[in-house]
Amino acid sequence: QKEVEQDPGPLSVPEGAIVSLNCTYSNSAFQYFMWYRQYSRKGPELLMYTYSSGNKEDGRFTAQVDKSSKYISLFIRDSQPSDSATYLCAMKYGGATNKLIFGTGTLLAVQP
Amino acid sequence: EPEVTQTPSHQVTQMGQEVILRCVPISNHLYFYWYRQILGQKVEFLVSFYNNEISEKSEIFDDQFSVERPDGSNFTLKIRSTKLEDSAMYFCASNPGQGAGELFFGEGSRLTVL
Repeated sequence: QKEVEQDPGPLSVPEGAIVSLNCTYSNSAFQYFMWYRQYSRKGPELLMYTYSSGNKEDGRFTAQVDKSSKYISLFIRDSQPSDSATYLCAMKYGGATNKLIFGTGTLLAVQP
Repeated sequence: EPEVTQTPSHQVTQMGQEVILRCVPISNHLYFYWYRQILGQKVEFLVSFYNNEISEKSEIFDDQFSVERPDGSNFTLKIRSTKLEDSAMYFCASNPGQGAGELFFGEGSRLTVL
């Protein structure tokens, strides 16, 4: 079983839709959870960073972590064509390591 | 807004040649990283560097790879003898301190090995 699983998509939605992106993971030792956005041939850009179970909101973005189910989500409200990108989930163990484990990324296309 | 900068943006090299990829991390950050992304695949951790030494490395980071912080601002990744399978985007990243998982990535250096 892979450490981090993410549906690669592509996911196509109309402008204004609510987008739900998800990752599951197998190791309960993951403590920190991140969502990155990556435009084509660019570096990952940090969107959300969470530690505990629950929700965290930042503008149109909401990150949700359910540690009991080993499941994380990113919701995008009022999606825009500029949101079209690959969304990567990433996770980190607690303790001394700073190594991130990434999902494969979900390609999102928001149609005008 | 401070950012991680990388050079070159694209390098083409012949198999067996040495390559150095350069990075300038965010100035007050203490931890530095290299990740790579082979086309169509996951972003993968290569190495982390703190206090002028490697703090962690993956199994990918073999003897062909080395990292260095030659001065107070640059952080380099050297591949001694490139192979075809080293073709990838290489991302430098930094963060302020241990436990702060917010890594900030550069735009990447695309390496093409022929």
